Amino acid sequence: EADIYQTPRYLVIGTGKKITLECSQTMGHDKMYWYQQDPGMELHLIHYSYGVNSTEKGDLSSESTVSRIRTEHFPLTLESARPSHTSQYLCASSGRQGTDTQYFGPGTRLTVL
Amino acid sequence: AQKITQTQPGMFVQEKEAVTLDCTYDTSDQSYGLFWYKQPSSGEMIFLIYQGSYDEQNATEGRYSLNFQKARKSANLVISASQLGDSAMYFCAMRDLDSGYALNFGKGTSLLVTP
Repeated sequence: EADIYQTPRYLVIGTGKKITLECSQTMGHDKMYWYQQDPGMELHLIHYSYGVNSTEKGDLSSESTVSRIRTEHFPLTLESARPSHTSQYLCASSGRQGTDTQYFGPGTRLTVL
Repeated sequence: AQKITQTQPGMFVQEKEAVTLDCTYDTSDQSYGLFWYKQPSSGEMIFLIYQGSYDEQNATEGRYSLNFQKARKSANLVISASQLGDSAMYFCAMRDLDSGYALNFGKGTSLLVTP
């Protein structure tokens, strides 16, 4: 079983608030990812990181930002939440090899009112 | 650019029967990897099986097997002896070398196992 954690699991928040979604893994994985998923739809990559101090934007345009100061921690921040940000956010990590399996956290379901 | 296609939005199967979930892909990469994930209603993504493009044998993991046909660019998931707990969304995905080995996902297939 993969050791990757996300908090909070559920968040309901008002428009304009700043929020940070937490993601931590204890597997020592170099690569970490954030995906966004609307209900019943496919996942879309919004951010990824090769390792400490590395962050890249994914294919899906996102108003969020990420940081990678420690290997195990990859938080995602929305400076000003909007109803269009309502979605599920899934964090994942994988090891150094390209063939390594990507393991997912349990997800954060965000609702912006 | 890569593309993953899952053409079955929903599937039904009776308990203890086998079911095949279809996945076709398009890529210009010579080396690539294909994954299947299960997503129950609780929302987490559970890794099921992996197939590398150079693997000579079809991947198997317990009741899951992958019918990999490279020439046809298909990587169908076969679930044998279906159980009620197999009811979930199933996603086919391909590793994207240009995005830090992130995964490109298909739209998924919703599987319902009936008693």
